[in-house]
Amino acid sequence: SYELTQPPSVSVSPGQTARITCSGDILSKEYAHWYQMKPGQAPVLVIFQDTERPSGIPDRFSGYSSGTAVTLTISGVQAEDEADYYCQSGASSATYVFGTGTKVTV
Amino acid sequence: QLQLQESGPGLVKPSGTLSLTCSVSGGSVSSASYYWGWVRQPPGKGLEWIGSIYYSGGTYYNPSLDSRVTISVDTSRNQFSLRLTSVTAADTAIYYCARPVIPVTGPSWFDPWGQGTLVTVSS
Repeated sequence: SYELTQPPSVSVSPGQTARITCSGDILSKEYAHWYQMKPGQAPVLVIFQDTERPSGIPDRFSGYSSGTAVTLTISGVQAEDEADYYCQSGASSATYVFGTGTKVTV
Repeated sequence: QLQLQESGPGLVKPSGTLSLTCSVSGGSVSSASYYWGWVRQPPGKGLEWIGSIYYSGGTYYNPSLDSRVTISVDTSRNQFSLRLTSVTAADTAIYYCARPVIPVTGPSWFDPWGQGTLVTVSS
């Protein structure tokens, strides 16, 4: 089965840059997407296809891909960015896998 | 704007069947452009894709749940549903409905999501 690995936690001061990596062999062949999750709220897509930002997502969120890893970068972190972040990719036809999740503490 | 909302019992007995419904507003479940899906998150754990359904009824399930899960679409009510049989405490989770967005190439992403509903399996 495919696995996507993320660091359990990232701590960053307001205004600094947070970087979250997601690694897995499948990422050398397939795109990754990123979600922000806050308690009691609907998860939000923040990056799709490695680097694309949905409308309405602040431009401080960006994505990068290299080899078997992708990185979500939050530049100029704000208190409201404190959340859990998950990467996601595709496994085989029409099946999906999520990363282990990273808690970002501001 | 497409919006999704989960509903269903919050407590299910062990060995019973978990049944949830996702109501769709701002769009039609019968649209040829859309798939519909379910994702869950056990307490303190990560996300797990459960399965997806195309408007015409074609389904794709997580192999780890395939023998117990059924996803269906009700076009008359503009809803889609999840049914999970023979549940155990390990099925306790927040269950989310979401729309998989199907790109020309590469894996789908999920957007938007419902707020999620907690289902506890306990006697």
